[in-house]
Amino acid sequence: QKEVEQNSGPLSVPEGAIASLNCTYSDRGSQSFFWYRQYSGKSPELIMFIYSNGDKEDGRFTAQLNKASQYVSLLIRDSQPSDSATYLCAVNGYGNKLVFGAGTILRVKS
Amino acid sequence: DTEVTQTPKHLVMGMTNKKSLKCEQHMGHRAMYWYKQKAKKPPELMFVYSYEKLSINESVPSRFSPECPNSSLLNLHLHALQPEDSALYLCASSRTPGLDNEQFFGPGTRLTVL
Repeated sequence: QKEVEQNSGPLSVPEGAIASLNCTYSDRGSQSFFWYRQYSGKSPELIMFIYSNGDKEDGRFTAQLNKASQYVSLLIRDSQPSDSATYLCAVNGYGNKLVFGAGTILRVKS
Repeated sequence: DTEVTQTPKHLVMGMTNKKSLKCEQHMGHRAMYWYKQKAKKPPELMFVYSYEKLSINESVPSRFSPECPNSSLLNLHLHALQPEDSALYLCASSRTPGLDNEQFFGPGTRLTVL
C-alpha cells in the first residue's frame, strides 16, 4: 500500500463548479497535511495546510481532514480555468519527511 | 522576502562534467531540502539540512554531494552523472524541520545529462 494515495485523474469540471480532490494516507501517526498546486513545467506551490480535524477555509479553497478515516481533501469553489494544474497531497510523517502522493490532474473547462 | 531562489534555471552537462546547483533563501528558515522530480511524478526527497547539518540522506548516489555553507545557502554538487539523472531539481525550505512546518519550493533547475 502506498503511503499517500491520490486519484491521478484527470478530474474535469466546468468553470464555476466545485472541484473535489481527495487523498488518503497510511501512517496513522501523521500530523500535518499539505496541498500543493503544480503547473506544468513549474515548481510546486503551497496552497493549503491543515493540522486539525475538520475544515479550514482560505478564499476559494477548503481543506478537510479526517484523521480517523485517514483522508484529507481539497475543495475548490468557483473553479476557474487558471486552476487547471496538478494538485499534490503531501503528508509529514515519520522522520519529518514530506511524503507526496502521485498528484491529481485537474482540468477546468470554460 | 518569501522567496526561494535557484540557479541556474537550466543546465546541460556531459557525464564527465562537474557542476553545482545553488539555492538561496532569506526567510530565516533553518531547514532546507533537495528534491528530484521526474516528469509526471511527485518530488522525491534527496537530502535534508537542519540547522546547517545534514540530517537526512535518502540513499542518494555519491555523484550527488550536498553542501550547506550557511543558513541561507544550499548547494548540490554534481559529478559523473548519468542520463537517467536528468530531472527537475527542486530546493525547498521551512522555518524549522518540525512536523508542522510548511515547505516552500524554489523554481527548480532543469538538468539534462547528455
